[in-house]
Amino acid sequence: DIQMTQSPSTLSASVGDRVTITCRASQSISSWLAWYQQKPGKAPKLLIYKASSLESGVPSRFSGSGSGTEFTLTISSLQPDDFATYYCQQYNSYLGTFGQGTKVEIK
Amino acid sequence: EVQLVESGGGLVQPGGSLRLSCAASGFTFSSYSMNWVRQAPGKGLEWVSYISSSSSTIYYADSVKGRFTISRDNAKNSLYLQMNSLRDEDTAVYYCARDLIVGGGSGSSSYWGQGTLVTVSS
Repeated sequence: DIQMTQSPSTLSASVGDRVTITCRASQSISSWLAWYQQKPGKAPKLLIYKASSLESGVPSRFSGSGSGTEFTLTISSLQPDDFATYYCQQYNSYLGTFGQGTKVEIK
Repeated sequence: EVQLVESGGGLVQPGGSLRLSCAASGFTFSSYSMNWVRQAPGKGLEWVSYISSSSSTIYYADSVKGRFTISRDNAKNSLYLQMNSLRDEDTAVYYCARDLIVGGGSGSSSYWGQGTLVTVSS
């Protein structure tokens, strides 16, 4: 099975900061990667699909890049609404493994 | 408006069974593949199961294979998860989620329900 490893697990940042979260796959998944945002008590929200495609309605400060085994989610200028937990998910094999999550906290 | 509403959660003893339902509205249910994803209290997301739009393709996570059964009724716009031989570690909020694109295969879920809590405890 494909394992997904996110880093860091926790990230402390300030409003306006540029934030980057990394997700590594244990084997190549081409570009079959999605990023989600989740706030406490809420369902996840799709941000990015196919590694770099922005979901409709998601602010352009979110971007995704990468292919193969290494992927990044970048928030160009962190906003108050962005403090949340972020998950990557691979779907190269329909066994849709999630990363363990990255919590973005207020510094 | 796309809506997914889960139901059927509750408290069940280890070894027991439960059937979750997900009622879909606001889109052509029969055109989309669906997933169940769960989240244990204070933990991360765990993909559980996938079913294609026609039910021809089904996948399970190793952790539930042989115990859980996913199904759908396109005439009733409903998705199901039959959970048998439940264990303490199955305690979680269970979400149903719709694939991003018609026909499925994107692997990403663009719409999620609010979740239903399953608690396995004696």
